[in-house]
Amino acid sequence: EPEVTQTPSHQVTQMGQEVILRCVPISNHLYFYWYRQILGQKVEFLVSFYNNEISEKSEIFDDQFSVERPDGSNFTLKIRSTKLEDSAMYFCASSESYRGVDTQYFGPGTRLTVL
Amino acid sequence: AQTVTQSQPEMSVQEAETVTLSCTYDTSENNYYLFWYKQPPSRQMILVIRQEAYKQQNATENRFSVNFQKAAKSFSLKISDSQLGDTAMYFCAFMRTDKLIFGTGTRLQVFP
Repeated sequence: EPEVTQTPSHQVTQMGQEVILRCVPISNHLYFYWYRQILGQKVEFLVSFYNNEISEKSEIFDDQFSVERPDGSNFTLKIRSTKLEDSAMYFCASSESYRGVDTQYFGPGTRLTVL
Repeated sequence: AQTVTQSQPEMSVQEAETVTLSCTYDTSENNYYLFWYKQPPSRQMILVIRQEAYKQQNATENRFSVNFQKAAKSFSLKISDSQLGDTAMYFCAFMRTDKLIFGTGTRLQVFP
């Protein structure tokens, strides 16, 4: 069964460093998402992406964050200068279409630890 | 703004028994979608069940079923014949545009 994959599974970085989290969505999916979950808290929407453009972003997704689909398979989330409060689980998701018509399928997540 | 509330931080159930997890939401929209996701200790988010608001019939997936009360804005999850592998965090989620809005989750422990 097709699945969303994410690498790395765990990333440790120093405050102020740049990190890139990588995702490979399900191959026939066209809509891509990033969510994050701070330990012990609920999952929060960061950004949605379609046709090489951001469709929607939350207030969390400030200028320190960016997303890109550099090739036909990868979808990346970049954090330019990490802060301690960026420590969280980051989930990538994809769907065949959007607005609830198709379900979002989640990857296994990348645990980001900022020291 | 849409909100999702899960009022039960923790629940427990004995293996083979039935348990119901509660979820309420607030929206002024008429067309939307509701989901239950399961998050086991591995922290992966796994879809359990979905419900389209325009459908009156409650969704069912094997041992999992929902009680969707649109007027009351309630969307509870019933797990029948609970299994040890059902032990996880369960998140209720609302979708209107292309983003999911999650509740705070209910931690379910299934005891042998």
